[in-house]
Amino acid sequence: EADIYQTPRYLVIGTGKKITLECSQTMGHDKMYWYQQDPGMELHLIHYSYGVNSTEKGDLSSESTVSRIRTEHFPLTLESARPSHTSQYLCASSPRDNSGNTIYFGEGSWLTVV
Amino acid sequence: AQSVAQPEDQVNVAEGNPLTVKCTYSVSGNPYLFWYVQYPNRGLQFLLKYITGDNLVKGSYGFEAEFNKSQTSFHLKKPSALVSDSALYFCAVRDSALTGGGNKLTFGTGTQLKVEL
Repeated sequence: EADIYQTPRYLVIGTGKKITLECSQTMGHDKMYWYQQDPGMELHLIHYSYGVNSTEKGDLSSESTVSRIRTEHFPLTLESARPSHTSQYLCASSPRDNSGNTIYFGEGSWLTVV
Repeated sequence: AQSVAQPEDQVNVAEGNPLTVKCTYSVSGNPYLFWYVQYPNRGLQFLLKYITGDNLVKGSYGFEAEFNKSQTSFHLKKPSALVSDSALYFCAVRDSALTGGGNKLTFGTGTQLKVEL
């Protein structure tokens, strides 16, 4: 089992609210990622980080933002939630130094914006 | 550019029968290949990976996958399917020739496996 934790697991929130999805890992991994996934569909990389103070946009454009102030923590923030943001958000991490390293996923955060 | 294809949206198999979930890939260098499984309302769980060496890779829960360089495939297999294997399966690839910002994992679109009694 991977030691990567996401909170909240489920969130229902009104349009226009600010939300932060938390992600923490205790494996000391340098790389962290956020993926967005609609139910039963493919994964889209929206943000990644190679280490503290490093953040990059992923392949899918997202209105969310991320920060990496500590190695173990990679929160995702939506300043003003909209119904189009309804989706599952998956956080993941991996060691930095080898391309063959496995990416480990958290359990996901289900966001519903009403 | 790296890409991966899972040609079947859904695979149905009877319990006790062998199962195969197909995956093909495209990379410019050597591939690093991964299989993940996702149960409903859960994150992805790592099953197995191929980096180098033996073409037959064994993983969790009795699954295995065979790397075939000439066919650019990495099909997931299990000799005897269980109802509890029913889930969404993702193949993923990373190109060893890409570094830095290009060194990301590309996922397939997923294959829903349904194992029935």
